[in-house]
Amino acid sequence: QVQLVQSGAEVKKPGASVKVSCKASGYTFTSYGINWVRQAPGQGLEWMGWISAYNANTNYAQKLQGRVTMTTDTSTSTAYMELRSLRSDDTAVYYCAREDDSSGWFNWFDPWGQGTLVTVSS
Amino acid sequence: DIQMTQSPSSLSASVGDRVTITCRASQSISSYLNWYQQKPGKAPKLLIYAASSLQSGVPSRFSGSGSGTDFTLTISSLQPEDFATYFCQQSFSTPQGFTFGPGTKVDIK
Repeated sequence: QVQLVQSGAEVKKPGASVKVSCKASGYTFTSYGINWVRQAPGQGLEWMGWISAYNANTNYAQKLQGRVTMTTDTSTSTAYMELRSLRSDDTAVYYCAREDDSSGWFNWFDPWGQGTLVTVSS
Repeated sequence: DIQMTQSPSSLSASVGDRVTITCRASQSISSYLNWYQQKPGKAPKLLIYAASSLQSGVPSRFSGSGSGTDFTLTISSLQPEDFATYFCQQSFSTPQGFTFGPGTKVDIK
């Protein structure tokens, strides 16, 4: 079955960087893009950015420009999200999600990874 | 940028109730609207895409409608496993990303 499995929880100090992985299985990795979405404790869903697994094109949320980098490794069907200069308000659960556009017109996120808790604390 | 709002922000309902959640976009997004369900400690799950298409495996008591700026998610007969938070998402604007509404929490009356 189509599945995204993320790396484990991280605890980082302010100013550090974190890199979260998202390993895909059950489908042709390069046929779909991967989005990253985060959710601060008790809050809503914030879209962070998208990467094409086909050609590595990216589109980042404006507020994260300069601090976030998304990459893929097609040899292992894995997507990565690195966030630098971490602050306390980056504490959140980070999700990867496959972007499905198989309808030819519409796009949606399915499936999602299980989430990775990143805690930023001194 | 397209802004998404949802109403109500929370509601209390009983098993068997008909529940309707509204999502509004700040500009027309045609039918580029998805709905997700999220339970505590879990990742969101796709329910409805393209405003009214039911994702495979999702119970038929869930339905979506609307186009342009106003959309609704309806649960025809609320079941115990439906108590969760529901998010809408616009998939119209690629440059700004597919942003989400703030969510509607459905809990037990």
